[in-house]
Amino acid sequence: EIVLTQSPGTLSLSPGERATLSCRTSQSVTSNFLAWYQQKPGQAPRLLISGASSRATGIPDRFIGSGSGTDFTLTISRLEPEDFAVYYCQQYDSSVIYTFGQGTKLEIK
Amino acid sequence: QVQLQESGPGLVKPSGTLSLTCAVSGDSITNNYWSWVRQPPGEGLEWIGQIQHGGSAYYNPPLKGRVSFSLDKSKNQFSLSLSSVTAADTAMYYCARHQGYSQGYWGQGTLVTVSS
Repeated sequence: EIVLTQSPGTLSLSPGERATLSCRTSQSVTSNFLAWYQQKPGQAPRLLISGASSRATGIPDRFIGSGSGTDFTLTISRLEPEDFAVYYCQQYDSSVIYTFGQGTKLEIK
Repeated sequence: QVQLQESGPGLVKPSGTLSLTCAVSGDSITNNYWSWVRQPPGEGLEWIGQIQHGGSAYYNPPLKGRVSFSLDKSKNQFSLSLSSVTAADTAMYYCARHQGYSQGYWGQGTLVTVSS
């Protein structure tokens, strides 16, 4: 079983700042199989990034996914007020199992 | 525009069976792969499993043996059944449509509480 570890658990930043969220996997993951989601209180998750770096339809270009192997990063270049939420990474493996990280809460400082 | 809507009982007794349905509009369930994801109150996301358009299903190992999925092509909906539930199964349950190797479209979720 592949374990995803996200860090930090909570990130406190101000609008306009840059956010860097990490997702480390316990085994090497094919980049095509790594995704990022945003979840706001009371809402369903929303797909932000698939294939480690491809933005989903309608996602602003301030959201940047990168990484390979066991280290992946979601960068939000300049935080907008609506970006404060919980972010999850997710991986798929060839056994047809999806696993989520535990999440990073991005809060307003 | 793809839309998904979960429905089912909001309260299930311990040891009972949780049954939910996801109605799909804007797409045919015969065209894609579909997942269930749950989230206990205040906690993170847990993938329950996936059902493919041909009916093949894959389940998260910790839930295997208690969970099953089915497709109803006549109603363009798919269903989840989870047996022998306990309080640990209390969660918001989401259905989702796959987009490549991720879940690109989500329902709004339905809260299921396991309690006597």
